[in-house]
Amino acid sequence: ETGVTQTPRHLVMGMTNKKSLKCEQHLGHNAMYWYKQSAKKPLELMFVYNFKEQTENNSVPSRFSPECPNSSHLFLHLHTLQPEDSALYLCASSQEGMDTEAFFGQGTRLTVV
Amino acid sequence: GENVEQHPSTLSVQEGDSAVIKCTYSDSASNYFPWYKQELGKRPQLIIDIRSNVGEKKDQRIAVTLNKTAKHFSLHITETQPEDSAVYFCAASNPYNQGGKLIFGQGTELSVKP
Repeated sequence: ETGVTQTPRHLVMGMTNKKSLKCEQHLGHNAMYWYKQSAKKPLELMFVYNFKEQTENNSVPSRFSPECPNSSHLFLHLHTLQPEDSALYLCASSQEGMDTEAFFGQGTRLTVV
Repeated sequence: GENVEQHPSTLSVQEGDSAVIKCTYSDSASNYFPWYKQELGKRPQLIIDIRSNVGEKKDQRIAVTLNKTAKHFSLHITETQPEDSAVYFCAASNPYNQGGKLIFGQGTELSVKP
């Protein structure tokens, strides 16, 4: 384990469902990120949180709603998703202001049916 | 904002040969350039990184070079082995701006044939 844990590992949901992805980091980092990884596509940055404040939203549709209650936890709330939202969702954390690597969670494989 | 281009998208080499992956970036303020390896079904993991005050860095069979003037950096893997087969991502960031968010290249799928 790298210190970043994501749950669930796999999720299948219908287009009318509401679900949440959870990310937890035990590294004492102050920045957390959500990335989307689709087949044959690069890692797409979705949201950035620094010190619990959202500092970036990369034109992500409103059916994705992030939440960062504290510097150790990050959620991604999902509702009325589309089949094209099926992808691997990766959480990462790092320490702002330092040249240190970003650590990734194992990801949640999401399938929208 | 930052944009990172990575080439090639796929690379196939014979075991023992060298592999080179190249990336270019657009934001001259970027000063941290990591490389991640992602094996099938696993998370991306850092394999080597380089900072803007260094032109080259080596770690056993892996080396990275950086040309800040041209805004490009490269990953070199020598004496490739089958276990090097994976998808490799380059990234660029400025750790002192916006939390050091990483902007990734498109990825290179490396296949090392025995």
